[in-house]
Amino acid sequence: QQQVKQSPQSLIVQKGGISIINCAYENTAFDYFPWYQQFPGKGPALLIAIRPDVSEKKEGRFTISFNKSAKQFSLHIMDSQPGDSATYFCAASLMRGSARQLTFGSGTQLTVLP
Amino acid sequence: GAVVSQHPSRVICKSGTSVKIECRSLDFQATTMFWYRQFPKQSLMLMATSNEGSKATYEQGVEKDKFLINHASLTLSTLTVTSAHPEDSSFYICSARGRAHESTDTQYFGPGTRLTVL
Repeated sequence: QQQVKQSPQSLIVQKGGISIINCAYENTAFDYFPWYQQFPGKGPALLIAIRPDVSEKKEGRFTISFNKSAKQFSLHIMDSQPGDSATYFCAASLMRGSARQLTFGSGTQLTVLP
Repeated sequence: GAVVSQHPSRVICKSGTSVKIECRSLDFQATTMFWYRQFPKQSLMLMATSNEGSKATYEQGVEKDKFLINHASLTLSTLTVTSAHPEDSSFYICSARGRAHESTDTQYFGPGTRLTVL
């Protein structure tokens, strides 16, 4: 119930294309869904996040689509650039005791070809 | 703002030695800190959660006597890998959250520490 399933494992997109990464969860107690971007040898950096009371959130070229009934959410990267090449993790958060904790998806390695 | 640092960034040690990794919140007071472990090309696995001044809460399967966590102040948490063995080689990442971030549930991650045990 704590798992967050992420797909695809890897993704290759041409420059200017749209990158789409999907995640699904089981536990309806999750109430916060962030996406993180990680470059090799670095820690993850928060990219964008959404709460389940909205179906879409857009920040620049990055959009999260959220389907509460299907328990699925996805990240869309518009006009993908070579600099977007990184590993992307979806995550889901819920309260455990007195602290909020994140459960990460397995990650998607995105390569944007020039 | 919300910068988290880790030291060292890389460490190589001999089997049987202990290694200490520091995690600092540089511009905010971290009421909660988290320690994660990441194997190559894999996801982050939460090891433990610590609140300032209290004992860390370890995830199932994480040996608390092997991975000692101390959250002694609102800006510093340390992870000590005791009697390290080659299987402990991994990328260790901390994250922190302060009171100002609780409304957004945001954790800020450090750059990670690459531990290699020979």
